[in-house]
Amino acid sequence: DAKTTQPNSMESNEEEPVHLPCNHSTISGTDYIHWYRQLPSQGPEYVIHGLTSNVNNRMASLAIAEDRKSSTLILHRATLRDAAVYYCILRDVGYGGATNKLIFGTGTLLAVQP
Amino acid sequence: GAVVSQHPSWVICKSGTSVKIECRSLDFQATTMFWYRQFPKQSLMLMATSNEGSKATYEQGVEKDKFLINHASLTLSTLTVTSAHPEDSSFYICSASFTYNSPLHFGNGTRLTVT
Repeated sequence: DAKTTQPNSMESNEEEPVHLPCNHSTISGTDYIHWYRQLPSQGPEYVIHGLTSNVNNRMASLAIAEDRKSSTLILHRATLRDAAVYYCILRDVGYGGATNKLIFGTGTLLAVQP
Repeated sequence: GAVVSQHPSWVICKSGTSVKIECRSLDFQATTMFWYRQFPKQSLMLMATSNEGSKATYEQGVEKDKFLINHASLTLSTLTVTSAHPEDSSFYICSASFTYNSPLHFGNGTRLTVT
């Protein structure tokens, strides 16, 4: 399974943008880049995903490097409710999804200061 | 609203008993569901992939006779922890997706405590 590397922790101030980096140098052509976040004692929550182009949704933006070996999750205005562990995961959709399981890494613990 | 419902949210059982956890996709049919386990301050560990109408695929090191998975319909998968022991105490989380390249939706997890 292709692996991802994320910083263990990051800090941000409320109402400021946050850029969460992720390295995935061994990504394959059929790997989608997924981001999820998890609050304590809850299941993970989907944030965003993409393949090659940058993606935007109501929660965040995903910037994908041209060579796809890294990506950045952008929270445009951090709030206290954004404090969570953020996971960057590759999901292989090759061969019709035969190996499409999600393997979680250690993620980045984001702290948001008021 | 939640698209994957997991039940119960917490359970306490005695050592040696079995516990069943249900995972339902509420507004879509899930051909594939995934079961994870999470210990305190650790990441999620994939236990098995559950496919509707066929046997589950277990990850290396996960005992299939201990963690029985049944995926009898497109909206329901169950995980049964058989003959539970204190070391099985953990946070169990299920997830499902509509298609193989759509996002995964996760249940809110089940906190299992074995005494």
